Amino acid sequence: AQSVTQLGSHVSVSEGALVLLRCNYSSSVPPYLFWYVQYPNQGLQLLLKYTSAATLVKGINGFEAEFKKSETSFHLTKPSAHMSDAAEYFCAVSEGGATNKLIFGTGTLLAVQP
Amino acid sequence: DAGITQSPRHKVTETGTPVTLRCHQTENHRYMYWYRQDPGHGLRLIHYSYGVKDTDKGEVSDGYSVSRSKTEDFLLTLESATSSQTSVYFCAISASGTGGNQPQHFGDGTRLSIL
Repeated sequence: AQSVTQLGSHVSVSEGALVLLRCNYSSSVPPYLFWYVQYPNQGLQLLLKYTSAATLVKGINGFEAEFKKSETSFHLTKPSAHMSDAAEYFCAVSEGGATNKLIFGTGTLLAVQP
Repeated sequence: DAGITQSPRHKVTETGTPVTLRCHQTENHRYMYWYRQDPGHGLRLIHYSYGVKDTDKGEVSDGYSVSRSKTEDFLLTLESATSSQTSVYFCAISASGTGGNQPQHFGDGTRLSIL
């Protein structure tokens, strides 16, 4: 069965510092992986997705993630944090099959300090 | 942004009353989903639909029912609301794909409080 673990429910960085949000997955089939961002009082917005093409995936707002099969990881990074990056971030893995059902991690709340 | 509208956006109701939440999409996507979001639990799937009149249960379906009579509308009903169903509810949609490679796109949510 597929599962997702996000290490660190809260991460705090200084403005301009590297952002690293960790996601490890477990999947019995070749995984499709997604990162979403949620700003306060809004729905989830797709940041990027890995669908077995390039292992380094670039997304919106300067974020990128690298798929590492040997480490079963899909960590999200951004070289320089901006105040507007403060939000909650969710990693998700597809269940496989035709229904596009996703298994979500419990989320990481990113705070950006001035 | 994907054309997804949830209504109402906020609702306060009393225990034991029926509640229906509506999700409307303009994307003609095949798949639709209802989630609830609670602190510490992330998103949990309640029910989903894979076509008109075709629905199935998710991991937290007890106390909820759904209906999809048209491609664009997916209704979530709490037959007799309980305080444990106080939550933020999200609708999502997804296009047909291969092996789960299509992302889901989310509405802005409905904040439901049951007193």
